[in-house]
Amino acid sequence: NAGVTQTPKFRILKIGQSMTLQCAQDMNHNYMYWYRQDPGMGLKLIYYSVGAGITDKGEVPNGYNVSRSTTEDFPLRLELAAPSQTSVYFCASSPGDRGPYEQYFGPGTRLTVT
Amino acid sequence: GENVEQHPSTLSVQEGDSAVIKCTYSDSASNYFPWYKQELGKRPQLIIDIRSNVGEKKDQRIAVTLNKTAKHFSLHITETQPEDSAVYFCAAGTYKYIFGTGTRLKVLA
Repeated sequence: NAGVTQTPKFRILKIGQSMTLQCAQDMNHNYMYWYRQDPGMGLKLIYYSVGAGITDKGEVPNGYNVSRSTTEDFPLRLELAAPSQTSVYFCASSPGDRGPYEQYFGPGTRLTVT
Repeated sequence: GENVEQHPSTLSVQEGDSAVIKCTYSDSASNYFPWYKQELGKRPQLIIDIRSNVGEKKDQRIAVTLNKTAKHFSLHITETQPEDSAVYFCAAGTYKYIFGTGTRLKVLA
């Protein structure tokens, strides 16, 4: 199993550009999450999904959109990138609401907006 | 909103000594309390977790205690080694967590 994979690893965007961060998992997990981690800080939940076709906002959803058309994929869309979105983005997955609740993280995408 | 506070933000210990990191949470519905270790430039990785029906859990040199009444939980690392140096995050929730702000642990050889 590859686990949770993310692409790209690094990206530099100009202010106002848009991009999609890709996330995929091959563990047949129902639940998937997007976090951002600013330098020296903890992880903040952006969006999460409890299954295909179902998404919900986390702590910091503004400026982002998500979709979940399949169990495996959970892309994060940034529209009109701003310097405040410079961060490391982690995708994670977990088996579901019956537990275990352990979240498995992808390797991250380092995004810089200039 | 819901919150998880973590202390201290940095911790330096001599190799072989113990390290303790403490967290408090606000959401009474939380029933799952994981601890993640993150090395520089890497992804967070689960090192131990505890559920609300258990007061203490131990795995070799690592232990976690939970006081649900006081909404406190703690990570204890004994016989620290240089490879324990990393940032440690607590979290509280259910299938969805709130993370603490992290503790940078330095183990001095």
